[in-house]
Amino acid sequence: EVQLVESGGGLVQPGGSLRLSCAASGFTFRNYAMIWVRQAPGQGLEWVSGIDDNSVVTYYADSVKGRFTISRDNSKNTLYLQINSLRAEDTAMYYCVKDPGGDEKRCYWGQGTLLTVSS
Amino acid sequence: DIQMTQSPSTLSASVGDTITITCRASQSINDWLAWYQQRPGKAPKLLIYKASTLERGVPSRFRGSGSGTDYTLTVSNLQPDDVGTYYCQQYSNYRMYAFGQGTKLEIK
Repeated sequence: EVQLVESGGGLVQPGGSLRLSCAASGFTFRNYAMIWVRQAPGQGLEWVSGIDDNSVVTYYADSVKGRFTISRDNSKNTLYLQINSLRAEDTAMYYCVKDPGGDEKRCYWGQGTLLTVSS
Repeated sequence: DIQMTQSPSTLSASVGDTITITCRASQSINDWLAWYQQRPGKAPKLLIYKASTLERGVPSRFRGSGSGTDYTLTVSNLQPDDVGTYYCQQYSNYRMYAFGQGTKLEIK
């Protein structure tokens, strides 16, 4: 069974930094692209960043480019999101998402970790 | 970048009704379209993937259809438990998923 468990959220002051983690299990992590999606309170879903299976290429939404860094450690089956220069508008639930691959046609989502940026 | 336009933004219907939510992509997404239901404080729950495949455990009252750029979620025999916000998602490429704006469903 595919499981994605996010962690690392919390209350951080504006301008601060934080690293979110997503522990993956139930599938061969190194074979799949992975994605971060976020949802601000009362708002819709927003794609944030994606990384290929071997960390060769990464992609970012314009709203986070230059401040967020996606990475992964395939030996630890873990996805990361380093967030710097935090702003109030980064306050959101952050979800880790497994991209489909091979014969699979669906995404898998974690339960999310909440990041609150406030002084 | 692919944009998704979802309508309506809100919907009010009665138990037993049939409702329809539509999503239009700015370019063809080759059926890489999913539908989710989200309840307050919860993660999105997958209902339909690849445009028309029903996720395991989801009632057959939920049906996805469409192709190319235009997709539809139909929920028949509406139940009180169907309340929530529904989102479409295009996932043709992990480089940029795109989501519809959401449809908030209320049961009268």
